[in-house]
Amino acid sequence: GAVVSQHPSRVICKSGTSVKIECRSLDFQATTMFWYRQFPKQSLMLMATSNEGSKATYEQGVEKDKFLINHASLTLSTLTVTSAHPEDSSFYICSALIWGTSGGGTDTQYFGPGTRLTVL
Amino acid sequence: SQQGEEDPQALSIQEGENATMNCSYKTSINNLQWYRQNSGRGLVHLILIRSNEREKHSGRLRVTLDTSKKSSSLLITASRAADTASYFCATDAGTYKYIFGTGTRLKVLA
Repeated sequence: GAVVSQHPSRVICKSGTSVKIECRSLDFQATTMFWYRQFPKQSLMLMATSNEGSKATYEQGVEKDKFLINHASLTLSTLTVTSAHPEDSSFYICSALIWGTSGGGTDTQYFGPGTRLTVL
Repeated sequence: SQQGEEDPQALSIQEGENATMNCSYKTSINNLQWYRQNSGRGLVHLILIRSNEREKHSGRLRVTLDTSKKSSSLLITASRAADTASYFCATDAGTYKYIFGTGTRLKVLA
């Protein structure tokens, strides 16, 4: 099946620094990837849609200058949390989209294992 | 918020019992999916049900969908301690974006 990896799995950084998280589709190409954020004991909230070769589309309330997304290849999207603060501490999960077939298959997202960010 | 709601928020049962969790959503959908998430880990896809389906089975899982009520249920039969996890529904309204429910935290006691 389709596999998505994330790196790093955990990161601890000081307030004010920037952190980059990578999302890779290992055995397929993905023109579209998604970034989600999950606070403890809460659900996943979609942050942005990452499109290969074009600008990301951010959900309402998500600061694009704070969360920089780059989807430079068909297998890699990166999320950079700039000038991180303790309130940015969260679990960040990416997914990669495989489009359904023309025969009526379903568009399916495959999720990475997540990255836990802790900002001190 | 477009986020769906799940109930109960938390459920604690004995091993061998059945667990039922419900999901309600707000907009018309193409399909609905259920995921499991172990503590601090990624999502595991469990089952997908399309909007024109009413019931689907996979092993010990049974999912129902009532589009008139905009709701779905997930039944886990003969639960095991390994089923302890959070369970989320996710709806796809045809925009390829998933809207996740608030989740149910299931604890199965051995």
